[in-house]
Amino acid sequence: NAGVTQTPKFQVLKTGQSMTLQCAQDMNHEYMSWYRQDPGMGLRLIHYSVGAGITDQGEVPNGYNVSRSTTEDFPLRLLSAAPSQTSVYFCASSPRVSSTDTQYFGPGTRLTVL
Amino acid sequence: AQSVTQLDSQVPVFEEAPVELRCNYSSSVSVYLFWYVQYPNQGLQLLLKYLSGSTLVESINGFEAEFNKSQTSFHLRKPSVHISDTAEYFCAVSDPAGGGNKLTFGTGTQLKVEL
Repeated sequence: NAGVTQTPKFQVLKTGQSMTLQCAQDMNHEYMSWYRQDPGMGLRLIHYSVGAGITDQGEVPNGYNVSRSTTEDFPLRLLSAAPSQTSVYFCASSPRVSSTDTQYFGPGTRLTVL
Repeated sequence: AQSVTQLDSQVPVFEEAPVELRCNYSSSVSVYLFWYVQYPNQGLQLLLKYLSGSTLVESINGFEAEFNKSQTSFHLRKPSVHISDTAEYFCAVSDPAGGGNKLTFGTGTQLKVEL
């Protein structure tokens, strides 16, 4: 298993541009989520999904959209990039929708918005 | 609402010395507790977790954490650290009563092991 994969690893955008961060898992996990990591702030939940076709907002959803058309894929879309969205983005998945489950993280995407 | 406090942003320690990384949480309900580790330029991976039962939980690489309900703490300890333990450590909580898989993270503690 490749686990959780994310592309690209690095990205530089100009203010106002849009882009999609890709996330895929090959473990047939029900739950998937997106976090952003900023210095001194830990990780904050952006959006999450409890199964194909079901998504919901996390702590910091503004400026981001998600969809989950398949169990495997959970892309994160930036609609109009802003410098405040400069961050490291992590995708994670869990086998079940359960607060006891371990979350498996991808390697991250480092995004810079100029 | 839950919150997690990691008071130490950085902890320098010499190799083979003991270390304690502190974690306190605030919640009006019972929670599950996790420690995740992030090695340089990698994603997070689970170190250990407390769900129920024995308040002392151990990881395979020598770390342990003790759940203390009265002090709302879940400090991480290792009796003798190695250079390879250099990483950032995150404490996190989840809510059994409807929070699903959502984790609330602390701000992280950077452990730097020196020779």
